[in-house]
Amino acid sequence: ELKVEQNPLFLSMQEGKNYTIYCNYSTTSDRLYWYRQDPGKSLESLFVLLSNGAVKQEGRLMASLDTKARLSTLHITAAVHDLSATYFCAESPNQGAQKLVFGQGTRLTINP
Amino acid sequence: DAGVTQSPTHLIKTRGQQVTLRCSPKSGHDTVSWYQQALGQGPQFIFQYYEEEERQRGNFPDRFSGHQFPNYSSELNVNALLLGDSALYLCASSLKPLNLDQPQHFGDGTRLSIL
Repeated sequence: ELKVEQNPLFLSMQEGKNYTIYCNYSTTSDRLYWYRQDPGKSLESLFVLLSNGAVKQEGRLMASLDTKARLSTLHITAAVHDLSATYFCAESPNQGAQKLVFGQGTRLTINP
Repeated sequence: DAGVTQSPTHLIKTRGQQVTLRCSPKSGHDTVSWYQQALGQGPQFIFQYYEEEERQRGNFPDRFSGHQFPNYSSELNVNALLLGDSALYLCASSLKPLNLDQPQHFGDGTRLSIL
């Protein structure tokens, strides 16, 4: 069974701190996606990681992919309140179509 | 550049009824996927349409069916609604089913409540 597991599921942190969200997946896929979802809103694409060792950064967020360990991380640097949201990782199993298998999501709350 | 649009935004139905949700893909996209997102969960893949055919299906019963039109827009139909069908239904579009290098673009979703 295809499975994507994120941890932690809930994260409350203070502004200015650093933290990492972990995403483990079960297949040999080499493509991993990160999305952000604000309450009541749709999913916004953050990063597409296409190969082993890929690292991408946008502002205070940095994502990486280790296909051998089947692990992706989303690192938050010097968190600010605007980053409060739910973050999802998703893999695309190589089954001939761009189906996404999502993790449960990490609800991130950043307190002033 | 129009993004993915879905209608309606909210819908309330009763058990046993049928519902149709609609989606127009982002301009230039030709592939539409549907996802169900229960409260507090990640989206789950229902099915994908390309060239007016269902290309892949997730673990959903036959009560869930769909259609894609020549203009690439799509409908999701759910028959014999159950309480457990209450969820946010998301439509995502992309260019070609196998274009894995680009993210799928999601619409704002239809919130379906079953009473």
